[in-house]
Amino acid sequence: EAGVAQSPRYKIIEKRQSVAFWCNPISGHATLYWYQQILGQGPKLLIQFQNNGVVDDSQLPKDRFSAERLKGVDSTLKIQPAKLEDSAVYLCASSLDGWGLAGGRTDTQYFGPGTRLTVL
Amino acid sequence: GQQLNQSPQSMFIQEGEDVSMNCTSSSIFNTWLWYKQDPGEGPVLLIALYKAGELTSNGRLTAQFGITRKDSFLNISASIPSDVGIYFCAGPQQGASKLTFGTGTRLQVTL
Repeated sequence: EAGVAQSPRYKIIEKRQSVAFWCNPISGHATLYWYQQILGQGPKLLIQFQNNGVVDDSQLPKDRFSAERLKGVDSTLKIQPAKLEDSAVYLCASSLDGWGLAGGRTDTQYFGPGTRLTVL
Repeated sequence: GQQLNQSPQSMFIQEGEDVSMNCTSSSIFNTWLWYKQDPGEGPVLLIALYKAGELTSNGRLTAQFGITRKDSFLNISASIPSDVGIYFCAGPQQGASKLTFGTGTRLQVTL
């Protein structure tokens, strides 16, 4: 079974430029997550999709970040314009069902390798 | 937001030694998850705990769900070089739907 695919693996941009990341979840997984992992910290959830609907985007800086999952499969995360503090690894994860939607038990989240973003 | 504190922050041990690390929170958690992250990769789930007091093993790894529901522990026995990585605890706070990750424990194993 293929894992979660992400591209690009690395991206270097200058501040105020725009950047987009792509994620293809495991086939059949309804829930997709985008996390931001700043160096030396644990992943922080930015947005969670259930099929093509947003379940939680409370920690997404909506003035510059946007994400979509139009057909309920792959997803893109965009930053426009980027700031220095956006330098981080952006992780995509997917699960068969969402946390809390399967009787209160977590469904294993499978993570992709991440995209390392450097903003200069 | 809620933060899970892990200790120690980093560990340098010799191959064959046992390792202990813990994760604490000021809030109650209904589930504790332990992940391992290798360099350049995403986290991989090692162990999931669902009940206070639960003790679960996965090979050389053993994790426990603290009785107070505010902490969890991970032990690795007879460490080997491939145990190198960052170990994260995570869990959904009571009443919350999203996972909160800990600050991580970086493990280095020397031969």
